[in-house]
Amino acid sequence: KAGVTQTPRYLIKTRGQQVTLSCSPISGHRSVSWYQQTPGQGLQFLFEYFSETQRNKGNFPGRFSGRQFSNSRSEMNVSTLELGDSALYLCASTRQGSQETQYFGPGTRLLVL
Amino acid sequence: SQQGEEDPQALSIQEGENATMNCSYKTSINNLQWYRQNSGRGLVHLILIRSNEREKHSGRLRVTLDTSKKSSSLLITASRAADTASYFCATAGPSGGYQKVTFGTGTKLQVIP
Repeated sequence: KAGVTQTPRYLIKTRGQQVTLSCSPISGHRSVSWYQQTPGQGLQFLFEYFSETQRNKGNFPGRFSGRQFSNSRSEMNVSTLELGDSALYLCASTRQGSQETQYFGPGTRLLVL
Repeated sequence: SQQGEEDPQALSIQEGENATMNCSYKTSINNLQWYRQNSGRGLVHLILIRSNEREKHSGRLRVTLDTSKKSSSLLITASRAADTASYFCATAGPSGGYQKVTFGTGTKLQVIP
């Protein structure tokens, strides 16, 4: 069974731009969660999607948004990028929800210049 | 703020020694999970312990949970150089009708061959 995949793996953007990251969960998994990881703040929960609906949301500004498609693939978008958005963005999938064992993708490393 | 706080932040031991990491949390939980992360990669699930369990084993891993003290520990016995990684605890608890997962700050383990 294929694991969680994330694209792209690396991304360089400049301040003010926007970016879209993609996550394909394990087949049969309906829940996708997104996390931001930085050296200073650690792993911060962004949001969780289940069956195309946002079920949980962390404490991030509205510039961070996401969506989930009918095939459970998920995207997250960050608009008006700031230097502080430079981070490793991780997505994780489970069958029913993030309280279960989460299967993580390799992450997308975003650098904002 | 992080629900889980790991202690110590960093740990360096010789191969063959045991490594113990602790995690403290603040609110009630349904389960607690431990994950491992190799440098800059995605997280890998190690073990899940439910709130009504006190101890769990998996290979060289032993996890304990003390809900009265709101703490958990991860013991890695007979450590190997390949165990070098960061270890995170994650707590799952109720939040607005759903489960919310919060990761701790992590313990960076170095096993010296």
